[in-house]
This record gives sequence, C-alpha cells and structure tokens, in this order.
Amino acid sequence: DTGVSQDPRHKITKRGQNVTFRCDPISEHNRLYWYRQTLGQGPEFLTYFQNEAQLEKSRLLSDRFSAERPKGSFSTLEIQRTEQGDSAMYLCASSLVSGRTDTQYFGPGTRLTVL
Amino acid sequence: AQSVAQPEDQVNVAEGNPLTVKCTYSVSGNPYLFWYVQYPNRGLQFLLKYITGDNLVKGSYGFEAEFNKSQTSFHLKKPSALVSDSALYFCAVRDKIASGTYKYIFGTGTRLKVLA
Repeated sequence: DTGVSQDPRHKITKRGQNVTFRCDPISEHNRLYWYRQTLGQGPEFLTYFQNEAQLEKSRLLSDRFSAERPKGSFSTLEIQRTEQGDSAMYLCASSLVSGRTDTQYFGPGTRLTVL
Repeated sequence: AQSVAQPEDQVNVAEGNPLTVKCTYSVSGNPYLFWYVQYPNRGLQFLLKYITGDNLVKGSYGFEAEFNKSQTSFHLKKPSALVSDSALYFCAVRDKIASGTYKYIFGTGTRLKVLA
C-alpha cells in the first residue's frame, strides 16, 4: 500500500454516461498526477496539479475529460459522454518535491469499462 | 523527446537464478530514471531511481539497477529471483513539463515470470 487511494476500484458504464473517479493522495504531497493505462501499455500522462492549480494537460485529455483538486487535497477526474475507447485503468500518483527530484507514488487505479 | 524502451515483453527465469530486465533510454540532458513494479490488481510500486552518482542503484526487495551512459541503458537486476517477484515491471524517465515540474514517460512493460 503506497498511501494513495482511489475510488472506485472498478467502474462499468454504458456508452454516453458520465463517470467520476476520486483520488486521495498521500497527505503531505502537494503534487498530484493522473495517468491512463491501456492493456499492454505503460501509463500515459493526462494531467497534473500543484496544490489546487491544474498546471498541465496532455493532448490525450479531450474536452470530455475534466479534473479538479478543489482544496489541494483529493482530486476528481470526470469523463463525460463516455466512449468505448475510454476503457482503461486510470491511475493517480502523488509526490512531494525533495532535493533534485520528486518520486511519484501511485494508487491502485480505477478500471473503467465502457460497454 | 524523452523515451524509454523495454525490448522484452516477457522474461522467464528459474527461482534462485539471477534476473535482468532490460531498459534503454533516449533523453536530452541528464537522465532521471525509475523502475516500478505492478502486481495484479495493484498500483505501481516504486522500486528505485537513478538521479546522479553511483551507477549501481539499490532499491526495494533486493532489486538493483545499473546505469550505463555509454549504452544508454538502465537494466534492472536481482541476484536471486523469487517466485513472488513475478509481476509487470516498468521503466520510466522523467520529462520536463515546465520549470521545476515533470511527468514520467513509461516503457511498455516487461512481464517477469519466475518459475519454481
């Protein structure tokens, strides 16, 4: 257990429905990241927060995706009008800058299946 | 752009034998390299990282990795494999997003199977 939690662990939805995932990072970590992992691939970066500010978004993050971190603690990732291509594992990571690098610690992920 | 490659989809090794999981990288500037392990239904777990200094980096669970600048490699190693080491292993490199901010770029992963 890395200390990063995600909820739910699994989500099955029908195409066109909206879904929301939650990530609770390690409490003292000020940076929070979302990644997406599809079968046979490594995780791909989606977006990043420094405290409550969303500072970077990947081109993978279409306008149907939105992420928030309202109080600089937990974060939510919402997907609107889900498509079958959104089926993937959504991973959250958190980090605290220390020295020359910040090691990212990952949660267990939320596996999304869009029917 | 920064990238890593894991040339082997799967590595099989007998329990008690040494194991190596390969990773090569392509970066501009100094590489910051990482290894993570993923067990079924669990998230990525950090094993070790290379920033600077000694080319041999020691990490969790008896793993170590050797940084080789001339070969642009960062292979993961363990002297004696355990069945419980069977998992999916990812190599990653840090890529700059903005000043002081980074994302990780992961390889495609190598599945390690340790046979009893």
